[in-house]
Amino acid sequence: NAGVTQTPKFQVLKTGQSMTLQCAQDMNHNSMYWYRQDPGMGLRLIYYSASEGTTDKGEVPNGYNVSRLNKREFSLRLESAAPSQTSVYFCASIVGSSQNTEAFFGQGTRLTVV
Amino acid sequence: GENVEQHPSTLSVQEGDSAVIKCTYSDSASNYFPWYKQELGKGPQLIIDIRSNVGEKKDQRIAVTLNKTAKHFSLHITETQPEDSAVYFCAAPASGSARQLTFGSGTQLTVLP
Repeated sequence: NAGVTQTPKFQVLKTGQSMTLQCAQDMNHNSMYWYRQDPGMGLRLIYYSASEGTTDKGEVPNGYNVSRLNKREFSLRLESAAPSQTSVYFCASIVGSSQNTEAFFGQGTRLTVV
Repeated sequence: GENVEQHPSTLSVQEGDSAVIKCTYSDSASNYFPWYKQELGKGPQLIIDIRSNVGEKKDQRIAVTLNKTAKHFSLHITETQPEDSAVYFCAAPASGSARQLTFGSGTQLTVLP
C-alpha cells in the first residue's frame, strides 16, 4: 500500500537548469496537489488538479508548470530553476467531502538550486 | 480566502509535561479543522481532526478544542514523550472548496528528556 510516491527524494540543480518532479498515488483520489515547504512559512500551495484533465494555480505558481498525466500521476516542472526555488516539495492527494478533507502526503523532494 | 495563523513557531517542553499549540482562522463558514504531524524527513500525516458541531475531541494523549465564536482551535498533548517531537500543522478548508486545505505555518515541538 504505497499511498503517494514522489521521486526523486533529493536533487541539486544549477541555476537555469530544468527538471520534473514526479508524483503518483494509488488511492484513486481525484484531487492532487503540489506544495512547497519553507522554514517559518508552512506549506504553500503551488498548483493543484481537482480532477484528471484540469489544473489550477495555487498561492505561489510562478516559475512552475504542472501536468496531470492521468488520474494517478501529477508532475511538477521547473523550466529554469532559480535559487529562490530551493525548498522541500510535497505532493499530496486529497479526499474531500462536506464532512472532512484529508490530505495524504508523499515523502517530499528536497531541492537545492545553486 | 481562508487565513490560518499558528502559534508558537517553536515549543520546547520537558518530557511528561503538556504542550499546547493554537491556531486562528478567518472564514466563519469553515467547519472542519485537522491537525497534521510531520516527523523528520517525512511528509505530514493526519493525527486528529474536529468538526464544527463539537467543542472537543480526544484520542489518547492528544486532544483538540474548538471555539467557533472566537474562531480558534488548539492542539493539546499531555504526558509528552520524546517521540512527540515533530512539526505540527493546523489546517482549515480553503474558502469555497472541500478539497483544499489552508495550512498554518507550523510549530516545531521539542520534547526534552
